[in-house]
Amino acid sequence: QSALTQPASVSGSPGQSITISCTGTSSDFGTFDHVSWYQQHPGKAPKLVIYDVSDRPSGVSNRFSGSKSGNTASLTISGLQAADEADYYCSSYTTSSTLVFGGGSKLTVL
Amino acid sequence: EVQLVQSGTEVKKAGESLKISCRGSGYMFGVFWIGWVRQMPGKGLEWMGIIFPGDSDARYSPSFQGQVTMSVDKSINTAYLQWSSLQASDTAMYYCARGMGAYDWFDPWGQGTLVTVSS
Repeated sequence: QSALTQPASVSGSPGQSITISCTGTSSDFGTFDHVSWYQQHPGKAPKLVIYDVSDRPSGVSNRFSGSKSGNTASLTISGLQAADEADYYCSSYTTSSTLVFGGGSKLTVL
Repeated sequence: EVQLVQSGTEVKKAGESLKISCRGSGYMFGVFWIGWVRQMPGKGLEWMGIIFPGDSDARYSPSFQGQVTMSVDKSINTAYLQWSSLQASDTAMYYCARGMGAYDWFDPWGQGTLVTVSS
């Protein structure tokens, strides 16, 4: 079954930048053009922060940015704030016509 | 404001049936997909499937095909997820979310429905 691999945890200090990676195979995910990212605080529903690799929904801080290189998509959060501490999930369309979420990355703000 | 409001917490016994709901407001319900996502306790997000309210076209993850049924009643802007016979392993939070395409991003999400199944 298709899988997206994320680091289990990432951390950074306030004001720093962090990057979370999301890796899949081209056979499962094609050109990786349909990657989105979600932020989930404990006990809350997920919230979309990036769609279509690098587009940001209205209302989401411009400190959040997305990119891709080959079969790896990345979410970068700059100017880290305490409120950014949350779980982050990537997701992508698959060549089998399904959607898959990554395993999630726990961001700790030191 | 675009909003999805889900039905409340459910506590059931194994073998019982269940139908939870997700009501959309603030947008044209019939022209956007509704997806369902499971989150088991302490675990990540799992895509269960998606349904198009306009024609009830439903697509399931292979992991959930035959285990659950998605449906909609577009006359009341409501999508449903149902089980015919619950198992303890169905204990989880279930989210609905508005999909931009059949396999695209989700925005916004409902608040979630917690389902607890005892054996």
